[in-house]
Amino acid sequence: DSGVTQTPKHLITATGQRVTLRCSPRSGDLSVYWYQQSLDQGLQFLIQYYNGEERAKGNILERFSAQQFPDLHSELNLSSLELGDSALYFCASTGSDSAYEQYFGPGTRLTVT
Amino acid sequence: EDQVTQSPEALRLQEGESSSLNCSYTVSGLRGLFWYRQDPGKGPEFLFTLYSAGEEKEKERLKATLTKKESFLHITAPKPEDSATYLCAVRFNQAGTALIFGKGTTLSVSS
Repeated sequence: DSGVTQTPKHLITATGQRVTLRCSPRSGDLSVYWYQQSLDQGLQFLIQYYNGEERAKGNILERFSAQQFPDLHSELNLSSLELGDSALYFCASTGSDSAYEQYFGPGTRLTVT
Repeated sequence: EDQVTQSPEALRLQEGESSSLNCSYTVSGLRGLFWYRQDPGKGPEFLFTLYSAGEEKEKERLKATLTKKESFLHITAPKPEDSATYLCAVRFNQAGTALIFGKGTTLSVSS
């Protein structure tokens, strides 16, 4: 158990809908990363937040957004969902930018029908 | 062009049959190379971080090594419970703090 929690575990929704994925980092960790894992693309970095501020962006679509709250939990919002958005979504946390090892949560499996 | 390439894509071993997984990278300004283990439907589990060429790390039957452009994950006398997908990732200057992952090697160990 990495100490990172994610809810829900599974999510099934229809095209065009909007969903919110939630992540709680390890106790004391300030940095949260979101990744998408699909069969053909592997694990792809989406976005990073550090202590409430957006720190880095990767291959994140404009339909996707995220935020980190004062209690350090983070939410990833996915809107106007398409079939191709079906994937595993992971968050990971580290203590600081100088802490290189990222610890991953169990993931949320999103299925868009 | 992929920045991180792992080979082979899949590897089948008999219990006790040692082998190596390869991770090659094309990025410059490496800040760290990471190995993770991922079981089906689960999150990646951190195994090792390597920072510089010549560095080695060991954990049970696993040993990771790093050269200037590749890393190897050696598995000695594997057991069925070592079956998983092994992911390699790099952190480098231009990518900031994000990890760039390879597509993984799926290892199956049969008894």
